Amino acid sequence: AQTVTQSQPEMSVQEAETVTLSCTYDTSESDYYLFWYKQPPSRQMILVIRQEAYKQQNATENRFSVNFQKAAKSFSLKISDSQLGDAAMYFCAYIGDTNAGKSTFGDGTTLTVKP
Amino acid sequence: DVKVTQSSRYLVKRTGEKVFLECVQDMDHENMFWYRQDPGLGLRLIYFSYDVKMKEKGDIPEGYSVSREKKERFSLILESASTNQTSMYLCASTYDWGPNQPQHFGDGTRLSIL
Repeated sequence: AQTVTQSQPEMSVQEAETVTLSCTYDTSESDYYLFWYKQPPSRQMILVIRQEAYKQQNATENRFSVNFQKAAKSFSLKISDSQLGDAAMYFCAYIGDTNAGKSTFGDGTTLTVKP
Repeated sequence: DVKVTQSSRYLVKRTGEKVFLECVQDMDHENMFWYRQDPGLGLRLIYFSYDVKMKEKGDIPEGYSVSREKKERFSLILESASTNQTSMYLCASTYDWGPNQPQHFGDGTRLSIL
């Protein structure tokens, strides 16, 4: 079975600085997707970024980028120029080719942004 | 944009009551999911549905059932609510079974069982 581990329950960053959230996963599948979701306090969870395992190039969405290390099964999220609105819980998720669309989620990392 | 709507943001019920949580999506998505979210435990899948009247158990189905009579609506039922079912419940949908499909979430229902 696939597992997703987020080893940092809480992180904090100063506004305008950069922070990296860690995620590791375990799988025997060759093709899969990885996602980062953001859940602001009392608000809807939304997709931040996704990465296909077969793509060597790291995905980027504006200030959000990933460091995907397939051999190490690591998928970290880097947030540059952090803003107060980035404060949220962040979840790493995995969907494998044989998972029939079901996601496996990590336990989440709560990010605090200090003004 | 996909809209996933959960009928209640907050709900308080009593032990032993039958509780219904409703979820509606407006984008003709094939698949719908119910999760519960507890601190330190992430999201755990309760049930999912890949078609009308079709359902499959997730990781923690005990004490729950579901109903999907129409494609757009997926209901979670607590047959006899217990205090250990106090939690945040999230509904989600995806367009199809492709692994590249992100989940689209509702706002969540914070359920308290007294």
